[in-house]
Amino acid sequence: GESVGLHLPTLSVQEGDNSIINCAYSNSASDYFIWYKQESGKGPQFIIDIRSNMDKRQGQRVTVLLNKTVKHLSLQIAATQPGDSAVYFCAELYNQGGKLIFGQGTELSVKP
Amino acid sequence: SQTIHQWPATLVQPVGSPLSLECTVEGTSNPNLYWYRQAAGRGLQLLFYSVGIGQISSEVPQNLSASRPQDRQFILSSKKLLLSDSGFYLCAWRKGQAFFGQGTRLTVV
Repeated sequence: GESVGLHLPTLSVQEGDNSIINCAYSNSASDYFIWYKQESGKGPQFIIDIRSNMDKRQGQRVTVLLNKTVKHLSLQIAATQPGDSAVYFCAELYNQGGKLIFGQGTELSVKP
Repeated sequence: SQTIHQWPATLVQPVGSPLSLECTVEGTSNPNLYWYRQAAGRGLQLLFYSVGIGQISSEVPQNLSASRPQDRQFILSSKKLLLSDSGFYLCAWRKGQAFFGQGTRLTVV
């Protein structure tokens, strides 16, 4: 859901470890979900997406899992690197494809 | 290829002054267009979105407004800025995934 007023939770991982970032979405009618990475002072960048008729999708070093039963989305980053340090947002699309709402975001910090 | 232009990159405006932020998209037609605001260290708040020319959906009914005078142009406006309007404003276009501009950092003083 939209929790824009809250401070971002943080996740700290060691370089080379796997990272899992979680997101709870708000609308059971949402049919498309996107993960974004945002570096300081920049606009969000697309990482990976998934449609509601899927429960898993893999990209390069990233995997998105969708659990519609509990309205939960996760992003897994394999072999996390210092360059992965950023804020990660999930976004859900509904209202006949018009409304794109962002989740709270998680700040990922990778320790060398 | 598609590109999105958003300007200016930074803006300092006095309280009570008007605002106009412009966003244009190239290389696509009839995209969905979005305006978001982001406070420091926070999430992205959807302000307005548009699924076509002249069609604006408002999510935050404050002293901001949006207009889409052309298919690939989206404008965010205010008649009188408030201190609370300070933030990082992001424009995005979407056909499938959404692509973002580089943002405008607005400081109201």
